[in-house]
Parts: sequence; C-alpha cells; structure tokens
Amino acid sequence: DAGVTQSPTHLIKTRGQQVTLRCSPKSGHDTVSWYQQALGQGPQFIFQYYEEEERQRGNFPDRFSGHQFPNYSSELNVNALLLGDSALYLCASSLPADDEQYFGPGTRLTVT
Amino acid sequence: QQQVKQSPQSLIVQKGGISIINCAYENTAFDYFPWYQQFPGKGPALLIAIRPDVSEKKEGRFTISFNKSAKQFSLHIMDSQPGDSATYFCAAIPYNFNKFYFGSGTKLNVKP
Repeated sequence: DAGVTQSPTHLIKTRGQQVTLRCSPKSGHDTVSWYQQALGQGPQFIFQYYEEEERQRGNFPDRFSGHQFPNYSSELNVNALLLGDSALYLCASSLPADDEQYFGPGTRLTVT
Repeated sequence: QQQVKQSPQSLIVQKGGISIINCAYENTAFDYFPWYQQFPGKGPALLIAIRPDVSEKKEGRFTISFNKSAKQFSLHIMDSQPGDSATYFCAAIPYNFNKFYFGSGTKLNVKP
C-alpha cells in the first residue's frame, strides 16, 4: 500500500517565477491538505481539498492556489515566488471524517 | 498568534532516560491532539494521539498525558534510544475542522 507521494523532491526557482508541486494521496484517501514548513518551524496549514474543491484555507495569500483531480491527487501552485517562500512543502491525506492525517516526504523549494 | 505552544525547543537525554515534551493550548474547541515524529528530510509521521475524554494513552514506550483543565498535554518517551533522536511536533485539531495547528517542534537528541 503506497503512502503519500510527492514530486519533485527538490526544486530551485528564481524570485518572481511560478512553481507547481504535486501530491498523490494514500490509497483510499480522498482529502488532501497542504502545509508549508519553514526551516526549524512547525508546519503551517495552507489549504485543504475535498471533492475537487478548496474546503478550508489558512492565512496564505492568493499567490498560493491549488487543485484536486478526480483521482484525488492534488497540485499546489505558487505564483510570483518570493525568497520567503523557500520551505519544505508537505502534503497530507486523510478521510473526510477522520482526524488522522498521513504526510508525504515533502518537496524542498528553494527560491533564489 | 501561535495556537499551540511547545517546549522545550531542544532536549538532550541519555540513553535509557525519559524524554518529556510539553504543549499548551488555549482554544477549547480543540478535540484531537496528535504527536508527530520527523526525521531530517522526511515528512512528519504520526506517533500517538489522544482525545480529551481520556487523561492518558500509552503505546509501547510512548505515553501522552492530557490535562484538560490546564489545557496542557505532554509526550513521554520511556527508555529513550538513540534512534528516537528526531524532531517532535505536537498538534491540535478543532472539533469538526480537519485543520492541524502544529507546535514549533522539539529537537530531541538521545546520547548513547
């Protein structure tokens, strides 16, 4: 049973560029959440997708957007990258009625 | 405003000792409290979780103690091993709201 997978593993972008990160949830899970983890900090909730719609959102600007596909996989898009967007981006999957979330290994984004 | 406050920031314990990490919260709507373990370059992995209707939960060497009136909960790692060296995060989820609030993390180093 595959767990949560994310791609790519690492990414280097230049300030002002746009980036797309991808996540495949754990088998059987239909809810995907995205988190940003700055170095030495705890993960911060970005948003959550269920039934292809954004269900909840944290305190992140509109530059952060997402999408969920019919197969429950998800993308996180970040426009107009800032140096402060450098972080580990984590995807977590769950069932809608279940509090347990399973995290992927993350995508390390570096903005130069 | 940080919803979940975690301490200490770092902890050094001798092999075989007890590691204790504490978290405190204010929002009484929180009703699920997991602990996650994270190794460098990996996503957080669920260790153990508790709901406020019990005061203690034990799984192997890991125990959560929960004090509802004080709005505090703690993780105890008994017989700590060098392989336990990692960063530990507490988290909390409000009732009916599948969004995690994480603490800032505790870096545990177990000396052999």
